[in-house]
Amino acid sequence: GENVEQHPSTLSVQEGDSAVIKCTYSDSASNYFPWYKQELGKRPQLIIDIRSNVGEKKDQRIAVTLNKTAKHFSLHITETQPEDSAVYFCAAVTGNQFYFGTGTSLTVIP
Amino acid sequence: GAGVSQSPRYKVAKRGQDVALRCDPISGHVSLFWYQQALGQGPEFLTYFQNEAQLDKSGLPSDRFFAERPEGSVSTLKIQRTQQEDSAVYLCASSLAPKVELFFGEGSRLTVL
Repeated sequence: GENVEQHPSTLSVQEGDSAVIKCTYSDSASNYFPWYKQELGKRPQLIIDIRSNVGEKKDQRIAVTLNKTAKHFSLHITETQPEDSAVYFCAAVTGNQFYFGTGTSLTVIP
Repeated sequence: GAGVSQSPRYKVAKRGQDVALRCDPISGHVSLFWYQQALGQGPEFLTYFQNEAQLDKSGLPSDRFFAERPEGSVSTLKIQRTQQEDSAVYLCASSLAPKVELFFGEGSRLTVL
């Protein structure tokens, strides 16, 4: 089955700096890659996603890049704000299955 | 309601007890997933329904775990003879169709003493 690895597990940045979270996947059949944000004690919520026919997607301060050849995709958050502090999960979707990474705990220091 | 609803939000069980966790997906959502989330970890797949059909139950850790969705809407995850290692947050998620946005519930936190 699919194996998704996510790095780093924790990340601290100064407010206003950029944050980058990276994921790799193993199954070349995976073709949908969502990112979820989970605030403490709350449900995971989709923040951005990308499909395998696209290399990059942006939504305001958030962008995701996908390298199908290398089987990795990354989340980029620019101009970070304290409210960006949360755990972020990547996922790779094969068939109907969502395979999640182990999460990155992001702390934005004011 | 507008979102995925799970109950109970918190459940404390004594080892050996049976528990039932309920998920009310968003109306009209075909796909329903159950995940287990241990502290500090990502959601781990348990089982998947498309309407009332359980298409994949490969993630259920043992035969003590059972899930159903008899009418293609509400789903129940049942854990028999709970063990301490079953302590986790159980997340339910639904989506309108395969490979589109998953909407998660707030989870049911199970603690087995």
